[in-house]
Amino acid sequence: GQSLEQPSEVTAVEGAIVQINCTYQTSGFYGLSWYQQHDGGAPTFLSYNALDGLEETGRFSSFLSRSDSYGYLLLQELQMKDSASYFCAVREDQGGKLIFGQGTELSVKP
Amino acid sequence: GAVVSQHPSWVICKSGTSVKIECRSLDFQATTMFWYRQFPKQSLMLMATSNEGSKATYEQGVEKDKFLINHASLTLSTLTVTSAHPEDSSFYICLDRGFGVGYTFGSGTRLTVV
Repeated sequence: GQSLEQPSEVTAVEGAIVQINCTYQTSGFYGLSWYQQHDGGAPTFLSYNALDGLEETGRFSSFLSRSDSYGYLLLQELQMKDSASYFCAVREDQGGKLIFGQGTELSVKP
Repeated sequence: GAVVSQHPSWVICKSGTSVKIECRSLDFQATTMFWYRQFPKQSLMLMATSNEGSKATYEQGVEKDKFLINHASLTLSTLTVTSAHPEDSSFYICLDRGFGVGYTFGSGTRLTVV
């Protein structure tokens, strides 16, 4: 079967750094993506890793280790507006189908 | 990235009626569109893959006769929830595969069946 595991919730304070982990088990793997979703809104794309290593985009970075079937999203200099749900997603096949994790609810406290 | 327009953003319908949700790609040709459903505080569950000019591919457990998908043009994909029931109340959202690595979601449709 296919599964993506991530923590259900994380709490951190403003200005801190937080890491959200994702381990996956899927029938195919063509890359790992991260999406942010605020309450009532649509998910928005944050980052993508097809190869091992770190990708940096501003305050957000994402890491992938294909041999460990593991990745993480790193959020630095946390702001209140970063409070949201974060989903990892595996592109499972060449057709581009995305399978999503259960989501991690991040709460940023003052 | 692509811009995807999804309508309606919310709809309330009576049990037994049908509801059509549209997703239109405004700047790229959406040859492949994915349809997801999300219940409160849960993940996005893939329902089906819509390809222009061909039949949709449904995920296991999704009733194709209940969730009708049409992708008649390169820019428009529609999902029709037929004979809706309260348990169909959910957030439905399309995802445009586009050309880049960051796919683009529509804005979502919150369906409430009463």
